[in-house]
Amino acid sequence: QITLKESGPTLVKPTQTLTLTCTFSGFSLNTRGVGVGWIRQPPGKALEWLALIYWDDYKHYSPSLMNRITITKDTSKNQVVLTVPNMDPVDTAAYYCARTPRSYGAFDFWGQGILVTVSS
Amino acid sequence: SYDLTQPLSVSVALGQTARITCGESNIGSRNVHWYQQKPGQAPVLVISRDNNRPSGIPDRFSGSNSGSTATLTISSAQAGDEADYYCQVWDSNTVVFGGGTKLTVL
Repeated sequence: QITLKESGPTLVKPTQTLTLTCTFSGFSLNTRGVGVGWIRQPPGKALEWLALIYWDDYKHYSPSLMNRITITKDTSKNQVVLTVPNMDPVDTAAYYCARTPRSYGAFDFWGQGILVTVSS
Repeated sequence: SYDLTQPLSVSVALGQTARITCGESNIGSRNVHWYQQKPGQAPVLVISRDNNRPSGIPDRFSGSNSGSTATLTISSAQAGDEADYYCQVWDSNTVVFGGGTKLTVL
């Protein structure tokens, strides 16, 4: 059974750094072709893809955020970490992590999401 | 940038067929994926690579993709199909989501 779960702070202050952890089970990031990505969704708005990391440590970033966010993995812990510095109220959103096999192109399993609010 | 155009809303009578479109020039040359998202829940993949249903997705859901339009078709629409639907593709090593379509079942 494949599961993913996001964890981290639900409230951050403007200018602070957000660090979110995606802990997964039922698959391994040591397996060739497997990737995990982050997607966010501001309240009432559409999905926005942020970043993705593959088993071989190859990374893709959203062009609009690539100079700001960082994605890393800890294969031994079955975790993927997203770091977003200098948070702003416009970054308030539900943040999801999801699995994607490279050959597939789709996100086939998703975490439940974590709502992060940026407010002073 | 690559923009996927979806109608903001689509309405369908109970038991009828709903069609949700996703448009972009030459989208027919890409693999299109579709997600269903109900209020307060994470998205669920309902169609992958244009017309493939993941395990557990009813065969009422189908997809097509040609030219400049990809289409998600929901046959015999049920009240439980009421949700937001998003299309998704890859473009130049980036993931692109459409703006989403709210499906209302009347």
